[in-house]
Amino acid sequence: DAGVIQSPRHEVTEMGQEVTLRCKPISGHDYLFWYRQTMMRGLELLIYFNNNVPIDDSGMPEDRFSAKMPNASFSTLKIQPSEPRDSAVYFCASSFQQGYEQYFGPGTRLTVT
Amino acid sequence: AQSVTQLGSHVSVSEGALVLLRCNYSSSVPPYLFWYVQYPNQGLQLLLKYTSAATLVKGINGFEAEFKKSETSFHLTKPSAHMSDAAEYFCAVSRAAAGNKLTFGGGTRVLVKP
Repeated sequence: DAGVIQSPRHEVTEMGQEVTLRCKPISGHDYLFWYRQTMMRGLELLIYFNNNVPIDDSGMPEDRFSAKMPNASFSTLKIQPSEPRDSAVYFCASSFQQGYEQYFGPGTRLTVT
Repeated sequence: AQSVTQLGSHVSVSEGALVLLRCNYSSSVPPYLFWYVQYPNQGLQLLLKYTSAATLVKGINGFEAEFKKSETSFHLTKPSAHMSDAAEYFCAVSRAAAGNKLTFGGGTRVLVKP
């Protein structure tokens, strides 16, 4: 298996622009997670899905952030409009079942200028 | 709410010396526990996990961790550090009742000196 795939790996954009991050989970995994990692705040869970349904989005920082999972093999995290404080590494992870380990993608490094 | 505390944000060890990374958790019920490693510019990789089977868990790259319920600890060890062990290590906890959500510790960055 190719593991969790994320694109793009790097994104540089200007403040106010829309940013879309993409994730393909491992085939057969029922859970998908979006995290954000910064030096100041460490790893933060933004949202997670079970069987394509959002279960907990309490970590989404603002209404500027939205996430979708239209099918079992694809998810997006969108920021509109982006701000410099959104600069971070965003990770997608997937998991087989409850209690099982999560497998992380390589991350998308987002820089908002 | 569950939480994870990693003692020491930075640890420096000599090559060949023991690596000991400390992790304590707070949970009202027995949790699942994990250690992940993150190499520079990479995602997190699972080192090992505890899911209520044997209390001494062996993982990849020679690492192991021991679950001690009485101490609510899950410390990570490796008998002999290698230069390639330089990375950041994260302890994480989850509970079945909380779905598959992981709560991460703040991470410990390991520096290995030759």
